[in-house]
Amino acid sequence: QKEVEQDPGPLSVPEGAIVSLNCTYSNSAFQYFMWYRQYSRKGPELLMYTYSSGNKEDGRFTAQVDKSSKYISLFIRDSQPSDSATYLCAMTPGSARQLTFGSGTQLTVLP
Amino acid sequence: NAGVTQTPKFQVLKTGQSMTLQCAQDMNHEYMSWYRQDPGMGLRLIHYSVGAGITDQGEVPNGYNVSRSTTEDFPLRLLSAAPSQTSVYFCASSLGRREKLFFGSGTQLSVL
Repeated sequence: QKEVEQDPGPLSVPEGAIVSLNCTYSNSAFQYFMWYRQYSRKGPELLMYTYSSGNKEDGRFTAQVDKSSKYISLFIRDSQPSDSATYLCAMTPGSARQLTFGSGTQLTVLP
Repeated sequence: NAGVTQTPKFQVLKTGQSMTLQCAQDMNHEYMSWYRQDPGMGLRLIHYSVGAGITDQGEVPNGYNVSRSTTEDFPLRLLSAAPSQTSVYFCASSLGRREKLFFGSGTQLSVL
């Protein structure tokens, strides 16, 4: 079993929809949680960074962490065609260990 | 503002050939790393470095060598390429292990 599980999709939604992307994990030591966005043929770029449980909002994006359920989510409001990309979750324990990435969810927002 | 620069963007090798993937960053980051990305597998760490002269293995180090002689450069060497090394390779850097990772644009490698 992988430490981090992520539904690969593909996920296709109409413009303006609310998108929910999710990851589950098995290692209860994870405390730092990130979401990366990767456009086709590009390197990933950091979208959201959260520590421990709770919500964090940045414009149309909200990251949510539920450590009791070992479950993290990324919500995208008013989705745009420019949001079409692969979204990767990543996480690490509080110690100086490496990031563990999910396999990514491919999202397409249709105009 | 170049960030993380990877060369080449594309490469085709024959089994048994050797090559070096280049990575350079101009942000004075101490931490650099190499990942490979395969369908359904996500990003897997190959090797990383926490500073000049210091390197360590990641999750999938076999078949790859690295060195870090300067803060700016972190090349990845394939000594004898195998078809299993067909992948997209990304170099990344950050101020520290838990800081924001900046990725290069990737090298698509095919080993025939």
